[in-house]
Amino acid sequence: DTAVSQTPKYLVTQMGNDKSIKCEQNLGHDTMYWYKQDSKKFLKIMFSYNNKELIINETVPNRFSPKSPDKAHLNLHINSLELGDSAVYFCASSPGQGGTDTQYFGPGTRLTVL
Amino acid sequence: GDSVTQMEGPVTLSEEAFLTINCTYTATGYPSLFWYVQYPGEGLQLLLKATKADDKGSNKGFEATYRKETTSFHLEKGSVQVSDSAVYFCALKESNYQLIWGAGTKLIIKP
Repeated sequence: DTAVSQTPKYLVTQMGNDKSIKCEQNLGHDTMYWYKQDSKKFLKIMFSYNNKELIINETVPNRFSPKSPDKAHLNLHINSLELGDSAVYFCASSPGQGGTDTQYFGPGTRLTVL
Repeated sequence: GDSVTQMEGPVTLSEEAFLTINCTYTATGYPSLFWYVQYPGEGLQLLLKATKADDKGSNKGFEATYRKETTSFHLEKGSVQVSDSAVYFCALKESNYQLIWGAGTKLIIKP
């Protein structure tokens, strides 16, 4: 059973379009995250939710909007896509926000904006 | 604020060589320290962690010791294999704060 799953795995789209990436975890975790990884492998936290409540909202354009319908799902919607949005987006989850908590990552969604 | 500094890559070694990837940190409190690994085309996964000073984390032949006096958590392996080729991330976390990531170190092992 996949612990953290994301769909789609690849997403190719034109500038200006709106797209969504879905994430689900079956680990019973309370906390979920979205990360962006650029071409140099640098990881940047975008959002974090704990029990469906937003707890981390880094400096991300408001074209990016996360939605957590329940604590097992955290979806990412992106409006008016730009070339600079091309990256790999990872969803992750952890049991809570504790200092020793391990984060479990999904396989990533490679977004290419043309 | 808290930060993590890793040695820049890529690090290129021959199979069976000894590996060290340096990681140092700055933190205001008493963080837990982690090494995550990202194999090509995959998401990150935890390799090992240590939650207090002098703890040693180990997994798959890799080790790292939490050294408070030198604020370091260097990753070592005695004999690397081609299958260890990946990107390695050092990270720290204080309770109720976000995970702070290093920039990642790409490791290339040649047969």
